Amino acid sequence: DQQVKQNSPSLSVQEGRISILNCDYTNSMFDYFLWYKKYPAEGPTFLISISSIKDKNEDGRFTVFLNKSAKHLSLHIVPSQPGDSAVYFCAASDLLNTGTASKLTFGTGTRLQVML
Amino acid sequence: DAGITQSPRYKITETGRQVTLMCHQTWSHSYMFWYRQDLGHGLRLIYYSAAADITDKGEVPDGYVVSRSKTENFPLTLESATRSQTSVYFCASSEFNRGGYTFGSGTRLTVV
Repeated sequence: DQQVKQNSPSLSVQEGRISILNCDYTNSMFDYFLWYKKYPAEGPTFLISISSIKDKNEDGRFTVFLNKSAKHLSLHIVPSQPGDSAVYFCAASDLLNTGTASKLTFGTGTRLQVML
Repeated sequence: DAGITQSPRYKITETGRQVTLMCHQTWSHSYMFWYRQDLGHGLRLIYYSAAADITDKGEVPDGYVVSRSKTENFPLTLESATRSQTSVYFCASSEFNRGGYTFGSGTRLTVV
């Protein structure tokens, strides 16, 4: 039962263009969402997050959009750079609802390749 | 060095052996977590801890044991390793009760 789904295993984008990574979730209790970036042989690193009280959060070239009614979030990277080539994981928790340890549920990841 | 470190980075063990993966963080973060990464499954939570001597099961705890006698250490033990436990294991810590985890570099475990 995959509660967080990333249906695109891979994505290729030209340098300078926009990368859009998508994530869907099924658990309506999730109220806090995060994106992590992972390079080979390294641990995931936190990229950006959004709580359910917002529909958009921006940090430099990275913007996350949340559509609660559709249970969908997306990560936009503009402009895409070769160094952005990595695996991106979407994650979700019910932090605000439970107030307890924020166990994250992760998606399966999308491998982004930014081409020169 | 400040941070979160996992050891060993690579481990090969035989079926039925006990193996312990180590995790050490220098920030005194309250929360610590163990995840495993497998193709097609993403990252799945094995165990987590909210503080020293407080641990709880995650999504896939069977076959694993954890302890947390000190805030900075959170070892994961496979009591009797099976081939299905071949995976990459990540330890993470978090200061606050939110999801901005800091992950270690991982331990690649192969059970033969």
